Amino acid sequence: SAVISQKPSRDICQRGTSLTIQCQVDSQVTMMFWYRQQPGQSLTLIATANQGSEATYESGFVIDKFPISRPNLTFSTLTVSNMSPEDSSIYLCSVARGVTEAFFGQGTRLTVV
Amino acid sequence: GQQLNQSPQSMFIQEGEDVSMNCTSSSIFNTWLWYKQDPGEGPVLLIALYKAGELTSNGRLTAQFGITRKDSFLNISASIPSDVGIYFCAGLGGSQGNLIFGKGTKLSVKP
Repeated sequence: SAVISQKPSRDICQRGTSLTIQCQVDSQVTMMFWYRQQPGQSLTLIATANQGSEATYESGFVIDKFPISRPNLTFSTLTVSNMSPEDSSIYLCSVARGVTEAFFGQGTRLTVV
Repeated sequence: GQQLNQSPQSMFIQEGEDVSMNCTSSSIFNTWLWYKQDPGEGPVLLIALYKAGELTSNGRLTAQFGITRKDSFLNISASIPSDVGIYFCAGLGGSQGNLIFGKGTKLSVKP
């Protein structure tokens, strides 16, 4: 399995500010994904982080709110911009090994006050 | 869009009992994955299913992929307190590697 490190593991942020979450993988991967898990809910895909091109966003998520970078095959960042309390969630980075397996980082627990 | 229906939503069982949970879908998935999530952690992959009808075990866990590729079950035998957590089924249907998740089954085990 891939080792995925996410930073920070948790943060408490003021509304109106932005937070950038980092995801580092121990090996090169083609596919990296960002998910959101709202309190007590399941995981929802935010976007696919594409290396060398713009991220592909799912319905309901936009680049201005969740800008994503993917500078190389082992690293990605997700920024949660202009935060509001509704953004309080766990944000998870995931990598896929082909179309056979997918692994997750430990998540970033964000609380917006 | 694609959805996975997972049941039951929660279970309260006695230590030593067997557990069964399942997922159904209106769409076909190429790969079906079962995850466990502990509080404050990301989901951890338990079992991956690739072939229709496939039955796979991982210790006390057994999962099967339905013949139609639209359903799967996960069984846990002889439950122990560390089995507590939320179990998610997830379908890997597209070519990109992104997952569609069920809503989860929260398992509580009484010692």
